[in-house]
Amino acid sequence: EAGVTQSPTHLIKTRGQQATLRCSPISGHTSVYWYQQALGLGLQFLLWYDEGEERNRGNFPPRFSGRQFPNYSSELNVNALELEDSALYLCASSRDREDEQYFGPGTRLTVT
Amino acid sequence: GQNIDQPTEMTATEGAIVQINCTYQTSGFNGLFWYQQHAGEAPTFLSYNVLDGLEEKGRFSSFLSRSKGYSYLLLKELQMKDSASYLCAVRDRSNTGKLIFGQGTTLQVKP
Repeated sequence: EAGVTQSPTHLIKTRGQQATLRCSPISGHTSVYWYQQALGLGLQFLLWYDEGEERNRGNFPPRFSGRQFPNYSSELNVNALELEDSALYLCASSRDREDEQYFGPGTRLTVT
Repeated sequence: GQNIDQPTEMTATEGAIVQINCTYQTSGFNGLFWYQQHAGEAPTFLSYNVLDGLEEKGRFSSFLSRSKGYSYLLLKELQMKDSASYLCAVRDRSNTGKLIFGQGTTLQVKP
């Protein structure tokens, strides 16, 4: 069974630009979660999508947004990038909302 | 507030047993998860506890006491490949999708 996949692996942007990160969940999983892992910090919950709808968001500004497509894949968009957005962005999926979450390899975003 | 505490670093010897503790203070409780994360890689799911007691899975066991807000991950017969960060995460309420993570414990296994 293929795991959660994310693209790109690395992304370098300059301050003020926009970044788009993509995630494909494990086949059969309908929930997708996004987390930010900044250097030296624990994983911080960003967003949760389930059945195409945003179900919950963490304590992040509105310039962090996303969507979930009919095939359950997801996209995270970060607008007006700031230096402190540099982090590893992890996507996870679960079979349903109460199950364990399985993580993808992440996208390392660097903002210069 | 929401708080998950774990030791920052631990060192143990190959073949030994190590216990990684996690204490939590959250507004609610709907399950505790342990993940392993090797440097530069994704966290991988190890265990899930929602009721008090010990869950055993091969060399790894996880214990939960909800009244004490306490869990531990027990690793037996340590191998060099067990050198990694171990993340404790709590789901504070059902139907939020959100896991609250601790900072992680970096375990170094020495020969």
